[in-house]
Amino acid sequence: DAGITQSPRHKVTETGTPVTLRCHQTENHRYMYWYRQDPGHGLRLIHYSYGVKDTDKGEVSDGYSVSRSKTEDFLLTLESATSSQTSVYFCAISDPTSTETQYFGPGTRLLVL
Amino acid sequence: QKEVEQNSGPLSVPEGAIASLNCTYSDRVSQSFFWYRQYSGKSPELIMSIYSNGDKEDGRFTAQLNKASQYVSLLIRDSQPSDSATYLCAVNINYGQNFVFGPGTRLSVLP
Repeated sequence: DAGITQSPRHKVTETGTPVTLRCHQTENHRYMYWYRQDPGHGLRLIHYSYGVKDTDKGEVSDGYSVSRSKTEDFLLTLESATSSQTSVYFCAISDPTSTETQYFGPGTRLLVL
Repeated sequence: QKEVEQNSGPLSVPEGAIASLNCTYSDRVSQSFFWYRQYSGKSPELIMSIYSNGDKEDGRFTAQLNKASQYVSLLIRDSQPSDSATYLCAVNINYGQNFVFGPGTRLSVLP
């Protein structure tokens, strides 16, 4: 299995509070992604990174920010959580120099009350 | 119009039968296509990738791509109960690292 961990794995928070999710990889892959998965919508890209300090928006980026200060870590921040951000969040990595395959982390279940 | 579409299912097949999963996409310049399997409560894992028109076989799995019809499918031969999962179709659009996933098809293989 690709070395990807996500923390926390589960979180319950209240509307209006800030939340940060962490993705850590040991594969030294250049690309990292944050997706959310909701019933009926599949996986939707929030943000992705193509290198340290290099990030770009995905399909559903409103209300989310990201940072990547090291190759191995990609942080997703909900500045002020809303109930619509209740979801399962997956981090993924890929190395386009060798393959386009994405490897996914175990996911974080976030409940915003 | 969604960029990648799949029948949400559930698709039910008896054990030993062939399961056929379909996916259509809207971006004609798409070049890379992927099938992921996701068990309930788990993360997606890659089954197959396909880049050229035609068939690609890997064990019990066959991916079929028809770029003219913007259609990609996955066939699972000799279906097993352990194949019961949601199957996600993914397309790499715009030649970049921008992957678009379909909503997934839930497959149930009945013993």
